[in-house]
Amino acid sequence: AQRVTQPEKLLSVFKGAPVELKCNYSYSGSPELFWYVQYSRQRLQLLLRHISRESIKGFTADLNKGETSFHLKKPFAQEEDSAMYYCAPPLSGSARQLTFGSGTQLTVLP
Amino acid sequence: NAGVTQTPKFRVLKTGQSMTLLCAQDMNHEYMYWYRQDPGMGLRLIHYSVGEGTTAKGEVPDGYNVSRLKKQNFLLGLESAAPSQTSVYFCASSDRGSGANVLTFGAGSRLTVL
Repeated sequence: AQRVTQPEKLLSVFKGAPVELKCNYSYSGSPELFWYVQYSRQRLQLLLRHISRESIKGFTADLNKGETSFHLKKPFAQEEDSAMYYCAPPLSGSARQLTFGSGTQLTVLP
Repeated sequence: NAGVTQTPKFRVLKTGQSMTLLCAQDMNHEYMYWYRQDPGMGLRLIHYSVGEGTTAKGEVPDGYNVSRLKKQNFLLGLESAAPSQTSVYFCASSDRGSGANVLTFGAGSRLTVL
């Protein structure tokens, strides 16, 4: 299965500070990566996917093939960004498995 | 349009009891998944289905069984619950083709096994 690694389980930043949530992938081929977010007491939802190259809620994520990374960034964190963030690779070929990273709990402090 | 609905939302079991979690989706999605979410472990895939009548094992299938008799429903069963199965369970579904990688999740089912 294609896998991703999120090295930080917990991340705290102050409101207004830049934030970067790390995600590294370890498979070959053309990667297509996703970020999902889970706000407190809500269901997981797609935040963004790299092929769309869009900015959602001020977040962007650039695929860096040289570093095999897909870090999620926001220049000025807001308290409402506090949530659990999961990085995910695409479904794994014919196996159709989608294995998420272990997640990073982001806390934005006032 | 309800999306993905999971029942029950909460359940407490004693060790050895059995139960079934139901997942229903009204989006005509082909693929369905069951995950468990544990602190520090993230989301782990239990079982999944690529179509009606088919199921397959994920990362952590032991102690669970699934069935997909109807396209819109994906059932997760615990035949003999163990405390290690205390977790929050999430069902998800996705479409074919380019939509296959975009999952729609249910609200979760919190299971406690005493």
